[in-house]
Amino acid sequence: NAGVTQTPKFRILKIGQSMTLQCTQDMNHNYMYWYRQDPGMGLKLIYYSVGAGITDKGEVPNGYNVSRSTTEDFPLRLELAAPSQTSVYFCASSYGGPGNTIYFGEGSWLTVV
Amino acid sequence: AQKVTQAQTEISVVEKEDVTLDCVYETRDTTYYLFWYKQPPSGELVFLIRRNSFDEQNEISGRYSWNFQKSTSSFNFTITASQVVDSAVYFCALSEAANYGGSQGNLIFGKGTKLSVKP
Repeated sequence: NAGVTQTPKFRILKIGQSMTLQCTQDMNHNYMYWYRQDPGMGLKLIYYSVGAGITDKGEVPNGYNVSRSTTEDFPLRLELAAPSQTSVYFCASSYGGPGNTIYFGEGSWLTVV
Repeated sequence: AQKVTQAQTEISVVEKEDVTLDCVYETRDTTYYLFWYKQPPSGELVFLIRRNSFDEQNEISGRYSWNFQKSTSSFNFTITASQVVDSAVYFCALSEAANYGGSQGNLIFGKGTKLSVKP
């Protein structure tokens, strides 16, 4: 059972570089999310999508972009990486909206130097 | 505003002790959902339980139990006879049914409680 799969698991970026974190889910979930987790903190929502072609900002969207061309995939793009984007990133999905259990990928550790 | 508070930053116990992780939430919604997730040292987030605001029955699953009390806005998590494998960071989270300008279905997380179980 694959669930939510995100790649890469680890990455080191230089300041100003760009990259894309890939996320795919095989549960036919409509909703997908990107969260970031900073040390000693809970997770904060970056972007979310309620279906293919629909995306919206979460709590901390600055410096990121997303797209949702298919139900399965929800890539997160970091433009002009900054040290403040050093974090652990989690992709997640759920069948529907409020109250539906959100299932998480294994996380991507990103360091910007 | 919605908020989840886990006042215990770190807890350390010896194996076989019982331990309770506290969670207090704030919401203006009458319909909401509460969750607990476990994050072991390997880093993934594992779903443990979901509870809706209309169901105040306590839940027991093996060594795990949850006590939901709307009167005190609390959703506490107890591990009975703790084991080393229970060592992890545990997150309590809230999801509101209404969308008060926020993100639909989004989880509001507490900062987590790090549980260390020593042999």
